[in-house]
Amino acid sequence: EAGVAQSPRYKIIEKRQSVAFWCNPISGHATLYWYQQILGQGPKLLIQFQNNGVVDDSQLPKDRFSAERLKGVDSTLKIQPAKLEDSAVYLCASSSRGQPQHFGDGTRLSIL
Amino acid sequence: DQQVKQNSPSLSVQEGRISILNCDYTNSMFDYFLWYKKYPAEGPTFLISISSIKDKNEDGRFTVFLNKSAKHLSLHIVPSQPGDSAVYFCAASSTGGGNKLTFGTGTQLKVEL
Repeated sequence: EAGVAQSPRYKIIEKRQSVAFWCNPISGHATLYWYQQILGQGPKLLIQFQNNGVVDDSQLPKDRFSAERLKGVDSTLKIQPAKLEDSAVYLCASSSRGQPQHFGDGTRLSIL
Repeated sequence: DQQVKQNSPSLSVQEGRISILNCDYTNSMFDYFLWYKKYPAEGPTFLISISSIKDKNEDGRFTVFLNKSAKHLSLHIVPSQPGDSAVYFCAASSTGGGNKLTFGTGTQLKVEL
């Protein structure tokens, strides 16, 4: 089966600019997750979708981050405006019921 | 508040020997534990998991042990191979937590020839 697809792989922007990341989960996976991984740390959950509904967004900085999964398949994560501390790898994962999460290769974001 | 801790940032082992990676947790609600392996510039890959109703789970060269009373789990790799060199993340979740994973900070394993 095809894995979780993410784009772009790398992105460099200046602070206060906006950026968007895209994720296409494994076919049939109802649950989709966005994680932020800062250098030297483990992935931290930002938001979790079940189909097109939000299950958990308690750690999403909602003043600048937004995410959507309109048709219950692919998803976008947006940052506007970006801050220096947003430099990280943004990982998308998906899972089916009761199964481990499968991760994409992530988008490495650098803020100048 | 680091609920999942991997206190060893790195570990070096000779090829053919045993690698033991450790993980501690503080949240007693965690009842499902996973290990993920990560190569540079790739996403984490699921390796092995264990439910809190068990104290051991084995899959080929990989065995995970869970000590609930100590809130401690470990991953044993026997024998270690150079291709096992990667960062290993411990993760935990709780029933009713919506499959949300809390990750440790990772341990860089280097298997030397």
